[in-house]
Amino acid sequence: EPEVTQTPSHQVTQMGQEVILRCVPISNHLYFYWYRQILGQKVEFLVSFYNNEISEKSEIFDDQFSVERPDGSNFTLKIRSTKLEDSAMYFCASSWGGGSTEAFFGQGTRLTVV
Amino acid sequence: RKEVEQDPGPFNVPEGATVAFNCTYSNSASQSFFWYRQDCRKEPKLLMSVYSSGNEDGRFTAQLNRASQYISLLIRDSKLSDSATYLCVVTPSSNTGKLIFGQGTTLQVKP
Repeated sequence: EPEVTQTPSHQVTQMGQEVILRCVPISNHLYFYWYRQILGQKVEFLVSFYNNEISEKSEIFDDQFSVERPDGSNFTLKIRSTKLEDSAMYFCASSWGGGSTEAFFGQGTRLTVV
Repeated sequence: RKEVEQDPGPFNVPEGATVAFNCTYSNSASQSFFWYRQDCRKEPKLLMSVYSSGNEDGRFTAQLNRASQYISLLIRDSKLSDSATYLCVVTPSSNTGKLIFGQGTTLQVKP
């Protein structure tokens, strides 16, 4: 069964450093997403990406964050100048269509900022 | 008011019990509705979509009441493997595929 894969599974970084979280969406999917989940809290939408551009972003997704699809298979989330409060599980997801189409989630990257 | 609100639980039930979860959403223009399941420290996985006519998948039944902005999930004959957090999820009126999650309801099924 096709799946969304994320690397690394766990990343520890020092405050102020930049991190890049990587995702390989399901190959025929067209919509890509990043979500985050702070420990003990709900899953929060960060950004959606379609046709090589951001289609929607949340208030959380400020200038500290950026996304890129550098080639035909990878989808990355870059977090610049990390803060302690960026520590969370980051989930990548993809779907064939937008709207009500089922989204498939990767297993997540646990980011710990120290 | 939270966009999607759920009773966090936990719900502790014996095997074989029937348990019901409720959810309310604030935006009347919300378009699509789902229940996801999340195991501890794992990714959310789609359990089922929710339709106004109600829908059933084996032991699971979901209902949507658009007038009351209320969604429910009924689990019959609970199994130990049903222990997880159940997430109520809606999509807003935009068509970008964005999902809005509730905080989840934790279910613990005990032998």
